[in-house]
Amino acid sequence: EAQVTQNPRYLITVTGKKLTVTCSQNMNHEYMSWYRQDPGLGLRQIYYSMNVEVTDKGDVPEGYKVSRKEKRNFPLILESPSPNQTSLYFCASSLLFTLDTGELFFGEGSRLTVL
Amino acid sequence: AQSVTQPDIHITVSEGASLELRCNYSYGATPYLFWYVQSPGQGLQLLLKYFSGDTLVQGIKGFEAEFKRSQSSFNLRKPSVHWSDAAEYFCAVVPDTGRRALTFGSGTRLQVQP
Repeated sequence: EAQVTQNPRYLITVTGKKLTVTCSQNMNHEYMSWYRQDPGLGLRQIYYSMNVEVTDKGDVPEGYKVSRKEKRNFPLILESPSPNQTSLYFCASSLLFTLDTGELFFGEGSRLTVL
Repeated sequence: AQSVTQPDIHITVSEGASLELRCNYSYGATPYLFWYVQSPGQGLQLLLKYFSGDTLVQGIKGFEAEFKRSQSSFNLRKPSVHWSDAAEYFCAVVPDTGRRALTFGSGTRLQVQP
């Protein structure tokens, strides 16, 4: 089954404790991206990757890191989480980095709470 | 600044009634335009998209949207709403800025009354 898998789905952590949210897709997609969703703000892009070893900042990259060492995986790293990073996070992928197909495939989301 | 606006935060309709969700964008050229739906506890799913050509596009689940260049709008419509359509709906664009990203509106939450 074609899917984007995120882990963990739910996480409560404390300020400053490093964490990683994993994302994996099994569709051989070139493009992967991380978004955060906050009430009233819709989805805002954190980082994206057009292919292996090619990443770039989105609209709200501060406090986050990413890597793309393999085509299927695109982990999101919070080196020192802060309460303002409490949010619902989505990983998404698309067949072509040009987004010409238009369709992003989304994971089910990871709800992160930073105390 | 370039943006996508969904002016309605929350809409309530009765089951069987028609629906129109508004979306306006402010980009110079014609961007790629999309509507996504997010059911409770789920990720987003593509309903339909517009790139060029016929300005009325059909999507899944009986939805359609019309691109109107003069109004910079891409409104989503459905003739008869079902209770299962209750969800949050997001309009999105790929702007002509060179950055590879979908920019989303803030969303419209649809509630369906029996």
